[in-house]
Amino acid sequence: DAKTTQPTSMDCAEGRAANLPCNHSTISGNEYVYWYRQIHSQGPQYIIHGLKNNETNEMASLIITEDRKSSTLILPHATLRDTAVYYCIGLYNNNDMRFGAGTRLTVKP
Amino acid sequence: DTGVSQDPRHKITKRGQNVTFRCDPISEHNRLYWYRQTLGQGPEFLTYFQNEAQLEKSRLLSDRFSAERPKGSFSTLEIQRTEQGDSAMYLCASSGMGRLSSPLHFGNGTRLTVT
Repeated sequence: DAKTTQPTSMDCAEGRAANLPCNHSTISGNEYVYWYRQIHSQGPQYIIHGLKNNETNEMASLIITEDRKSSTLILPHATLRDTAVYYCIGLYNNNDMRFGAGTRLTVKP
Repeated sequence: DTGVSQDPRHKITKRGQNVTFRCDPISEHNRLYWYRQTLGQGPEFLTYFQNEAQLEKSRLLSDRFSAERPKGSFSTLEIQRTEQGDSAMYLCASSGMGRLSSPLHFGNGTRLTVT
């Protein structure tokens, strides 16, 4: 699976958009980009995934660059409950899902 | 959707004792995964089942660890002769039929403390 690089931590003001970047320059053509988040003392929660096209669901939007070397997860109106560790993972199939250290997002009032 | 269920939520045991954890996946999911997570780290893959077949095991899964999924439904993870280094959160996840890209759905884990 592709190696991913994320900032260690980020802050965001409540009500504003949170934009979480991820670099995955070694991603291959058939590898998806997945995003999960983990709130303290809970299991990781699936957010969204995509291959080439931008994706949107009720939780977030995923913007993937045309060269697929990076992506951005967008939480359009961050709330305090969005404070969590966010993981970006690049892989072909979920039999091989490996988590890095992720980005610790803190939403501040 | 009842989600992935894990039992117990917390387990405290003395070094040298055996422990067993249970995972009930989402009912229609045929793939089941075990992960381990220590403080401040992301989850680490341990093993994976498709139906009742254990298809992959990590090097992290020492001889003291064994996982089963006897009828392709629930799964158990047993740790024999526990050591203090086994203290961690043990997470179970499942994913559905169809494309290999189907996302994993995680339970809230079993936190093991070995004293």
